[in-house]
Amino acid sequence: EAGVVQSPRYKIIEKKQPVAFWCNPISGHNTLYWYLQNLGQGPELLIRYENEEAVDDSQLPKDRFSAERLKGVDSTLKIQPAELGDSAVYLCASSPSRGHTGELFFGEGSRLTVL
Amino acid sequence: AQKITQTQPGMFVQEKEAVTLDCTYDTSDPSYGLFWYKQPSSGEMIFLIYQGSYDQQNATEGRYSLNFQKARKSANLVISASQLGDSAMYFCAMVDNAGNMLTFGGGTRLMVKP
Repeated sequence: EAGVVQSPRYKIIEKKQPVAFWCNPISGHNTLYWYLQNLGQGPELLIRYENEEAVDDSQLPKDRFSAERLKGVDSTLKIQPAELGDSAVYLCASSPSRGHTGELFFGEGSRLTVL
Repeated sequence: AQKITQTQPGMFVQEKEAVTLDCTYDTSDPSYGLFWYKQPSSGEMIFLIYQGSYDQQNATEGRYSLNFQKARKSANLVISASQLGDSAMYFCAMVDNAGNMLTFGGGTRLMVKP
């Protein structure tokens, strides 16, 4: 069974440029998460989807960040415009369970560097 | 609000020895879950072990065991017979009563010496 797939693995952009990250969760997993992980820190939740509905986006900086999961499968996280402080790893995870009551399966992450 | 604290930024252990990684938590929920994840240099978070707050016995998964002390609000990870491949970041995490929030600690970097 394929795991959670994220792309790109690495992205280097200049500040004020847009960037997008893509995530394909494990087949059949209805719950999808985007996490932000700064260097040397634990992941922090940005947004959680149940199918195509964003059920928790309270930590998503909505002035520059947006996310979508139109068909309840793949998801895209966008930053526009990027700032220097956005340099981090963006992790996608999926789960067959509603909420966080079960194990999360993570992708390898997308490492963003903003110059 | 939930909080997870991992007080050991880095740990060394000799190969084949056991090591304990500390985790303390704070929550007002009567029911919650505790997880440990491993993050190797490749970046992927790998699930290791889960403990429910009402579980009577400490969770075990192969060489991993969770030393759950509810009164002390601690959930330490014990790795027995350390292997070189155990070198990685380890994160303690908690889910709340409604399963709506997974909070991670700051992590502990474990380095296994040959």
